[in-house]
Amino acid sequence: NAGVTQTPKFQVLKTGQSMTLQCAQDMNHEYMSWYRQDPGMGLRLIHYSVGAGITDQGEVPNGYNVSRSTTEDFPLRLLSAAPSQTSVYFCASSYSTGEGFEQYFGPGTRLTVT
Amino acid sequence: QQQVKQSPQSLIVQKGGISIINCAYENTAFDYFPWYQQFPGKGPALLIAIRPDVSEKKEGRFTISFNKSAKQFSLHIMDSQPGDSATYFCAAKRGTGGFKTIFGAGTRLFVKA
Repeated sequence: NAGVTQTPKFQVLKTGQSMTLQCAQDMNHEYMSWYRQDPGMGLRLIHYSVGAGITDQGEVPNGYNVSRSTTEDFPLRLLSAAPSQTSVYFCASSYSTGEGFEQYFGPGTRLTVT
Repeated sequence: QQQVKQSPQSLIVQKGGISIINCAYENTAFDYFPWYQQFPGKGPALLIAIRPDVSEKKEGRFTISFNKSAKQFSLHIMDSQPGDSATYFCAAKRGTGGFKTIFGAGTRLFVKA
């Protein structure tokens, strides 16, 4: 199993440009989510999905769109990039255990917006 | 508004020592408290987790202590090793079937050889 894969690893955008961060998982997990990681702020949830066709907003959804047409894929779209979106983005897939949720994170995409 | 407060921000421990990282929360609806370990350039990985009906959970050298009345929980790393040098995040998940996980700000641990 490849686990959770993310592309690209690095990206530089100019203000106002749009792009899509790709995320795929091969573990057949129901739940997928996108986080951004900024220094001193931990990980903050952007959007999440509890199954194909179902998405919802997290803590910091503004400026981002998601869709989930298949169980495997969960792309994150930046509509009009802003310098405030400079961050490291992590995709995660999760499944429910008897105790809670086990989340598997991808390797991340480092995005710089100039 | 930081719903999960983590301290310290950074920590230096001698090899063989005990590393202690603390977290506090306000929302009593949280029902699952995982800890994640992150190495540079990698995504976080689940280390250990606890539910609030348990006061302590141990897995190898890693122990979570949970104080429900104080709304605090902590990670203890016994016999700390240089390979434990990483950033550690505490987190909390909202209950009643919820999925959203709130993370603390992270603690950078450095274990001196």
